[in-house]
Amino acid sequence: QKEVEQDPGPLSVPEGAIVSLNCTYSNSAFQYFMWYRQYSRKGPELLMYTYSSGNKEDGRFTAQVDKSSKYISLFIRDSQPSDSATYLCATVNAGGTSYGKLTFGQGTILTVHP
Amino acid sequence: DTEVTQTPKHLVMGMTNKKSLKCEQHMGHRAMYWYKQKAKKPPELMFVYSYEKLSINESVPSRFSPECPNSSLLNLHLHALQPEDSALYLCASSHLQGEKLFFGSGTQLSVL
Repeated sequence: QKEVEQDPGPLSVPEGAIVSLNCTYSNSAFQYFMWYRQYSRKGPELLMYTYSSGNKEDGRFTAQVDKSSKYISLFIRDSQPSDSATYLCATVNAGGTSYGKLTFGQGTILTVHP
Repeated sequence: DTEVTQTPKHLVMGMTNKKSLKCEQHMGHRAMYWYKQKAKKPPELMFVYSYEKLSINESVPSRFSPECPNSSLLNLHLHALQPEDSALYLCASSHLQGEKLFFGSGTQLSVL
């Protein structure tokens, strides 16, 4: 079992739709959570960073963390064609010999069509 | 400024060549990372430097040799690579190890 499991998609939605991207993790040492967006052949771009349970909003993006169920989500409102990319969830190990190691989910390919 | 600069953007090398990848950041970050990413896969951690000292080595083959000359620079020296090493090599930095990472655009490496 992978330490971070992400719905692989691919996901195809019409412009303006609300998109929900989800990950689960298994290691309680994971204390920090991030969402990255990656366009083809480019480096990942940090979208959201959070370390506590609850919601964090930034523009059209909302990150949600539930540490009790080890579940993290990213919601995109009013999706645009420019949101078409691969979305990666990531967690940071806050303890032990793997301190600071970032573990990624497998990524979800999102296509927003006009 | 959250920029991590990687050079070159593209590199083609033979299996007997020696080449280096370079990474630079001017954000005052004290942790720097090398990741390898194959197509349609997530990035995989190779090395972590914290305060210019190697902190994590993910059992990477010795044909990859990292170097951190100062707090702003990170190099990856390549020697006798195999075709299966062809991938996108990503550099990242963070204020401190374990904090949010900022990635460069990567070097697309092809080994012939």
